[in-house]
Amino acid sequence: AQSVSQHNHHVILSEAASLELGCNYSYGGTVNLFWYVQYPGQHLQLLLKYFSGDPLVKGIKGFEAEFIKSKFSFNLRKPSVQWSDTAEYFCAVNTDKLIFGTGTRLQVFP
Amino acid sequence: NAGVMQNPRHLVRRRGQEARLRCSPMKGHSHVYWYRQLPEEGLKFMVYLQKENIIDESGMPKERFSAEFPKEGPSILRIQQVVRGDSAAYFCASSPEGQGVGAFFGQGTRLTVV
Repeated sequence: AQSVSQHNHHVILSEAASLELGCNYSYGGTVNLFWYVQYPGQHLQLLLKYFSGDPLVKGIKGFEAEFIKSKFSFNLRKPSVQWSDTAEYFCAVNTDKLIFGTGTRLQVFP
Repeated sequence: NAGVMQNPRHLVRRRGQEARLRCSPMKGHSHVYWYRQLPEEGLKFMVYLQKENIIDESGMPKERFSAEFPKEGPSILRIQQVVRGDSAAYFCASSPEGQGVGAFFGQGTRLTVV
């Protein structure tokens, strides 16, 4: 069965620190990969997605993610976080439906 | 083009009552997906529907839960005889045919069972 693992449940950073959130998936076939963000009290918004092509994907708000097929990973990165990045981040893998990880809560302090 | 519309945003039900959650997909989207988010947990897939068809309901509880997506009108997630454990945020997503679930989620319905 497909599954998604997010290793960090809660991350606390100061503004301007670099961010990397881990995501590993288990599925042997072709997958589409996503990162979503959920700001407090809001719905999920797509940050970026990977379907094929360049494994380094750039998304909105300065986020990027790298698909490493050999490691079944799709880690999310941002070189310099802002207070407004405080939110919950979900990695997801899609074959015919989206399977989500349990999420990582990011808190950024000024 | 309006996004995925869910209503109500908040729903309070007493134990034993029925809850009906509605989802209007984006214009032109014929695929609808329902997810449940429990406190401190990620989103769990519940059911995948196309117009008048249930494609995958592997995430639906066996009892009390049902979903439909009629030819006309919104998709409905129905929970009969609600219990406290049904309290959660329920999200709907839609996609155009053949592209799988991607970017388009609704704002969710927060169900509270008292």
